Amino acid sequence: DAKTTQPPSMDCAEGRAANLPCNHSTISGNEYVYWYRQIHSQGPQYIIHGLKNNETNEMASLIITEDRKSSTLILPHATLRDTAVYYCIVRVTTDSWGKLQFGAGTQVVVTP
Amino acid sequence: KAGVTQTPRYLIKTRGQQVTLSCSPISGHRSVSWYQQTPGQGLQFLFEYFSETQRNKGNFPGRFSGRQFSNSRSEMNVSTLELGDSALYLCASSWDGLLNEQFFGPGTRLTVL
Repeated sequence: DAKTTQPPSMDCAEGRAANLPCNHSTISGNEYVYWYRQIHSQGPQYIIHGLKNNETNEMASLIITEDRKSSTLILPHATLRDTAVYYCIVRVTTDSWGKLQFGAGTQVVVTP
Repeated sequence: KAGVTQTPRYLIKTRGQQVTLSCSPISGHRSVSWYQQTPGQGLQFLFEYFSETQRNKGNFPGRFSGRQFSNSRSEMNVSTLELGDSALYLCASSWDGLLNEQFFGPGTRLTVL
């Protein structure tokens, strides 16, 4: 699976949009981009995933660049409960049964 | 719909002992994956089971093993415990273990003394 690079930490003001970048310059054509987050002492939580089109759900939006070498997760209106470690994962859908390769992620702190 | 449940939530063992952890996936999910989380190594994939068969395995020694039952419930076993096995053990379930999202349980906190 391709490697991802994320900033180790970032702060965000409550109510503002949080834009979390992820670099995956070695991504190949059949690799999807997944985002999970882990709130302290809980299991990771799925947020969103995509292949090449932008995606949006009730939690967030995922913007993938045209060359697919990077992506941005957008939390439109951050709340204190969004404080968590956010993981960007790229993954093929063959030969990786059940396996998510977590990196160090980005520690996001939402402040009042 | 009930989420993924793991038992026990906390466990204390001594070196050399063995331990069995249990995971009940979301109803209808056939894939169960196991992960180990430590402060030093982060989240690492242990193995994945689908329809009672191990389909994938991470880079862990043979002391770590697992199985899945016909009702999709899964257990993982660690034999001859070492201090370094102290970790949060997480299981995750999904429909097929591929494209679909994985739902994680709360984890079992294992402390080895």
